[in-house]
Amino acid sequence: GENVEQHPSTLSVQEGDSAVIKCTYSDSASNYFPWYKQELGKGPQLIIDIRSNVGEKKDQRIAVTLNKTAKHFSLHITETQPEDSAVYFCAARLAAGNKLTFGGGTRVLVKP
Amino acid sequence: DADVTQTPRNRITKTGKRIMLECSQTKGHDRMYWYRQDPGLGLRLIYYSFDVKDINKGEISDGYSVSRQAQAKFSLSLESAIPNQTALYFCATSDAGDRVEKLFFGSGTQLSVL
Repeated sequence: GENVEQHPSTLSVQEGDSAVIKCTYSDSASNYFPWYKQELGKGPQLIIDIRSNVGEKKDQRIAVTLNKTAKHFSLHITETQPEDSAVYFCAARLAAGNKLTFGGGTRVLVKP
Repeated sequence: DADVTQTPRNRITKTGKRIMLECSQTKGHDRMYWYRQDPGLGLRLIYYSFDVKDINKGEISDGYSVSRQAQAKFSLSLESAIPNQTALYFCATSDAGDRVEKLFFGSGTQLSVL
């Protein structure tokens, strides 16, 4: 089955700086890669996703990049703000499957 | 009101006890899931159901069972709770008609087994 590794497990950044979270996946047949954000006391929420036929996708201050050859994808947050403090999860789904495999999560702290 | 509601929000139980976690949704989605969250391990799938008559094991189903009582209700049971089942449990739904099948999560149930 698919295996997803996520790094770092914790990330502390100064407000206004950028944050980058990286994930690697094991199965080259995976074709869908979402990112979920979990705020304190809440369930995860989808914030951005990318399919394997696209190399990069942006939505305001967040962007995701995908390198299919290396089997890794990254989340980039620019101009970080205190409300970006949360746990972020990457995930991957096989083309023939219907279940997501999640990474271990990254706790991001934005210091004012 | 929340679209995906989990009850209870917190539960403390003792080893060997049977416990049920409940999930209900108003999103009209056919697909429902139970996940478990442990620090550093992310979200792991316990069981999932694509309609009322469909139940499937996830990657960590041992020690758990589920019941899909209706399209809107999906409950998770721990037959005989053990301490390593202490975790944060999430119910989620998705729409089979959605091309990417975005997951919608409840707020979670924190379970402690003593």
